[in-house]
Amino acid sequence: ETGVTQTPRHLVMGMTNKKSLKCEQHLGHNAMYWYKQSAKKPLELMFVYSLEERVENNSVPSRFSPECPNSSHLFLHLHTLQPEDSALYLCASSQGTGKYEQYFGPGTRLTVT
Amino acid sequence: GESVGLHLPTLSVQEGDNSIINCAYSNSASDYFIWYKQESGKGPQFIIDIRSNMDKRQGQRVTVLLNKTVKHLSLQIAATQPGDSAVYFCAENIPSGTYKYIFGTGTRLKVLA
Repeated sequence: ETGVTQTPRHLVMGMTNKKSLKCEQHLGHNAMYWYKQSAKKPLELMFVYSLEERVENNSVPSRFSPECPNSSHLFLHLHTLQPEDSALYLCASSQGTGKYEQYFGPGTRLTVT
Repeated sequence: GESVGLHLPTLSVQEGDNSIINCAYSNSASDYFIWYKQESGKGPQFIIDIRSNMDKRQGQRVTVLLNKTVKHLSLQIAATQPGDSAVYFCAENIPSGTYKYIFGTGTRLKVLA
């Protein structure tokens, strides 16, 4: 285990649903990340939080809304998603936003129907 | 745009043999590199890293080689075991960013019994 947990592990939702992904890190890290991993494509950075403040929004559509209530928890709120949003969503954390190793959670496999 | 790529999408290796997974990077200014292993149903797991002031770094059964002249990175796994079966991808850290990594698409390693 990497010390980063994600729930749920699998999620199927319709395009009109609203759901949330949860990530929790038990490593005492200050930075947390959301990545999208689609088949046969490299990891895509979505959002970065440092000390609970968003420092990066990598041109992500507004139907994805992140929330970081404290340095240990990170949420990704989803609404009116599209089928092309189906992917593995990975959360990661690192000691800081410098050149630090990022520890990944197991991901949430999202399917939008 | 800048990208990190892998020469072979799938590599099949006999158990006990050595494996070599390659990665080409395009940004000559990148100064930090990581190899990740991703098993089915899991998030990426850090294997080994190397900074640009080094040519070689060894871990337990793994060695990373960096050739800055041709912008090439390789991961060598000694005495490959069934548990090594996974997707491996490299990531480069560009100097202009801190937490920003460019990830490769991955190579699937299959270990044959």
